[in-house]
Amino acid sequence: EVQLVESGGGLVQVGGSLRLSCAVSGFNFNTYSMNWVRQAPGKGLEWVSNIGSDSRPAYYADSVKGRFTISRDSAKNSLYLQMNSLRDEDTAVYYCVRDYQFNIDYWGQGTLVTVSS
Amino acid sequence: QSALTQPRSVSGSPGQSVTISCAGTNSDVGAYNFVSWYQQHPGKAPKLMIYDVSKRPSGVPDRFSGSKSGNTASLTISGLQAEDEADYYCCSYAGSASWVFGGGTKLAVL
Repeated sequence: EVQLVESGGGLVQVGGSLRLSCAVSGFNFNTYSMNWVRQAPGKGLEWVSNIGSDSRPAYYADSVKGRFTISRDSAKNSLYLQMNSLRDEDTAVYYCVRDYQFNIDYWGQGTLVTVSS
Repeated sequence: QSALTQPRSVSGSPGQSVTISCAGTNSDVGAYNFVSWYQQHPGKAPKLMIYDVSKRPSGVPDRFSGSKSGNTASLTISGLQAEDEADYYCCSYAGSASWVFGGGTKLAVL
């Protein structure tokens, strides 16, 4: 069974940093491209970042470029999102999701990030 | 990229059919056959219902179908059931390992 379990969310001040983690199981992590997708409270879904199966390259939405860094650790079957210079508008549930041949298929349960001034 | 355009809400009675549209551009929906649809119940993670425009994952009822014409994709739900009431999002691959989502459509089963 495919499982993606996010952690690391919480309350952080504007300008602060947070690192999200996603532990995956049930599939060969090393062969899949992975993404982060977020959803602001009461709003729609927004693609945030992608990392290839071999960790390169990484792509980012314009809204987070230069502030967020995606990475992965194949030995730990884990995906990460380092978020710096956080803004109010980064408040959202962050989902770890798998890319299956250019379609996003499996989603984690999400982790809530709240940025407060 | 700009979000794909979906109607904010649609509704139907049990047993009826509804169609949700998803308008994009020739850089996303029109350029790739990698359109997917997700169902999201309140407080839950999205669930994949359609991928590659019209394919259904295992376990998704055949009441759900997808199609695409030009820059617009559509999701049709036939034989509406109470449990279909949810938010629905379309998504398209947009090139260079990026994706774009629609704004979401709230489906009410009356």
